[in-house]
Amino acid sequence: GAGVSQSPSNKVTEKGKDVELRCDPISGHTALYWYRQSLGQGLEFLIYFQGNSAPDKSGLPSDRFSAERTGGSVSTLTIQRTQQEDSAVYLCASSRTMGTEAFFGQGTRLTVV
Amino acid sequence: DQQVKQNSPSLSVQEGRISILNCDYTNSMFDYFLWYKKYPAEGPTFLISISSIKDKNEDGRFTVFLNKSAKHLSLHIVPSQPGDSAVYFCAATPTSGTYKYIFGTGTRLKVLA
Repeated sequence: GAGVSQSPSNKVTEKGKDVELRCDPISGHTALYWYRQSLGQGLEFLIYFQGNSAPDKSGLPSDRFSAERTGGSVSTLTIQRTQQEDSAVYLCASSRTMGTEAFFGQGTRLTVV
Repeated sequence: DQQVKQNSPSLSVQEGRISILNCDYTNSMFDYFLWYKKYPAEGPTFLISISSIKDKNEDGRFTVFLNKSAKHLSLHIVPSQPGDSAVYFCAATPTSGTYKYIFGTGTRLKVLA
């Protein structure tokens, strides 16, 4: 596609449920990044992928968070047993290679009630 | 430990004047820097970048200056337009080793008509 696409754009879930967020990067981009932005905060790094491997998972807040990328393309971020503090906008970005400009999707707004 | 800092949370500028947004970083391994603009309910939009081998990069109304010895970069917008009103984030990454982009907390620019 022309840009990075994320789905769903909005998700409301009950505390304790699992959620899956999807990111379709720009075609041909080898690097993919996940960030989140909580209300009034900056962009917090979660994880990045080079191809299908994740060299840096240091930003994942807890073991309830996991991410995978298949075929060097689509990525999913899974949050298990969601908590209210997980409420945030989750942003995905991709770049042609490492260390070049990254382009963001429109984000998924997650609300845990 | 905030490696990228934007010390001004907000800035107001008259239309037609220059807007100067500042950013400081602490990690000497950072050698690629980017500026993003973000409107509410949208993902960040890439504006302009600069490599550490340069001290200036221009693109239309936007110019980024890098002072490596001071670990400081700035974004100049000339002339400022009301449509420039948004939150501006600077980001930095090394181009070897781990490639995650570290973002500042953002500066909200308001351009007054």
